Amino acid sequence: QQQVKQSPQSLIVQKGGIPIINCAYENTAFDYFPWYQQFPGKGPALLIAIRPDVSEKKEGRFTISFNKSAKQFSLHIMDSQPGDSATYFCAALGAAGNKLTFGGGTRVLVKP
Amino acid sequence: DVKVTQSSRYLVKRTGEKVFLECVQDMDHENMFWYRQDPGLGLRLIYFSYDVKMKEKGDIPEGYSVSREKKERFSLILESASTNQTSMYLCASSLAGLYNEQFFGPGTRLTVL
Repeated sequence: QQQVKQSPQSLIVQKGGIPIINCAYENTAFDYFPWYQQFPGKGPALLIAIRPDVSEKKEGRFTISFNKSAKQFSLHIMDSQPGDSATYFCAALGAAGNKLTFGGGTRVLVKP
Repeated sequence: DVKVTQSSRYLVKRTGEKVFLECVQDMDHENMFWYRQDPGLGLRLIYFSYDVKMKEKGDIPEGYSVSREKKERFSLILESASTNQTSMYLCASSLAGLYNEQFFGPGTRLTVL
């Protein structure tokens, strides 16, 4: 049973489009929500992270939106580029430990 | 630059073999982790270690064991490999404390025949 549910599993957009990846969680003890980006043949790397005391965070073309009451958060990639083609994982962490719980991943393809 | 290296990129083993996966990090991180990555399931934590000779079970420890004799090295052991352990294995490390970024190695794709 996955504690962090991620959708969709895959996404294809044209260059300049805005892929949106959604995640939902059940455990209210989670209080840190990072997103990881993984290119083929590489390990995941931290992209951006948010704490539940803010509703939105932007870093460059990447934006996280957070809805604490709905226990949902999402990643938007603005003005997407072919170089953004990768697999994206949302994750959650609670103060009880250093164990990240990952979503199932979303494979994003940005067509030129 | 943090570097996490894994001993093999690809590995093919037979059912019943004992398999060792090695991970080394060069940033003096206290925490080290082993995950397996499967399509649609994301990354699932097998074991982690927060200090030399210390280990804690993750979400799917069955069929695996770990060893951490030195701070920079964390080994994953499959005592008797089975076909359902065919997967991508990822090692990660981080500083001690909460909310610190985990740095991942490139992964080892293990196939058990």
